[in-house]
Amino acid sequence: DMQMTQSPSSLSASVGDRVTITCRASQDISNYLAWYQQKPGKVPKVLIYDASTLQSGVPSRFSGSGSGTDFTLTISSLQPEDVATYYCQKYNSALLTFGGGTKVEIK
Amino acid sequence: QVTLKESGPVLVKPTETLTLTCTVSGFSFSNTRVGVSWIRQPPGKALEWLAHIFSNDEKSYSTSLKSRLTISKDTSKSQVVLIMTNMDPVDTATYYCARIGLRWGYYDIWGQGTMVTVSS
Repeated sequence: DMQMTQSPSSLSASVGDRVTITCRASQDISNYLAWYQQKPGKVPKVLIYDASTLQSGVPSRFSGSGSGTDFTLTISSLQPEDVATYYCQKYNSALLTFGGGTKVEIK
Repeated sequence: QVTLKESGPVLVKPTETLTLTCTVSGFSFSNTRVGVSWIRQPPGKALEWLAHIFSNDEKSYSTSLKSRLTISKDTSKSQVVLIMTNMDPVDTATYYCARIGLRWGYYDIWGQGTMVTVSS
């Protein structure tokens, strides 16, 4: 099975910091990758699709990059409302796997 | 307005079969790009994709759970059903249904989720 590995599993950063989360696929998935944000007690919400396309309504401080096997989600200036767990998800095939998640907290 | 709503039992016993229903509104399965997945999340843990059904009735399943899962849809009732057999306490989770919309691959609309506890 294809695996999606996220790192780190958790991080703590200060307001205004630049935060980077990595997602690695065990095989080439081209740019078939989405990123989701799940706030505590809430339903996941898509932030980015096709690895780098910002979903409508998502703040521009979020960005995505990468292709093939290595991808990153960047928050350019961390805000208190960004406290959440972030997941990547591949869709290069009909097996739609999620990464293990990265929990982001404020220091 | 597009919505999805999960329904099913709150509590099931070990070895029993779980049947969950996702009732959708605001979109039609006649659109060839539309599909619905089931995804679960154990308490405090990560999202786990379970199964997906396409508008043309093609299905895909998680490799690790394939033997226990059946997904189907009833277009006339606007429902997608997930059946999971031989439930175990490790299957305790919030179960979500979510839509892949006009653009393949990512979930644009999620249901609120339904918590299922497996316990005797």
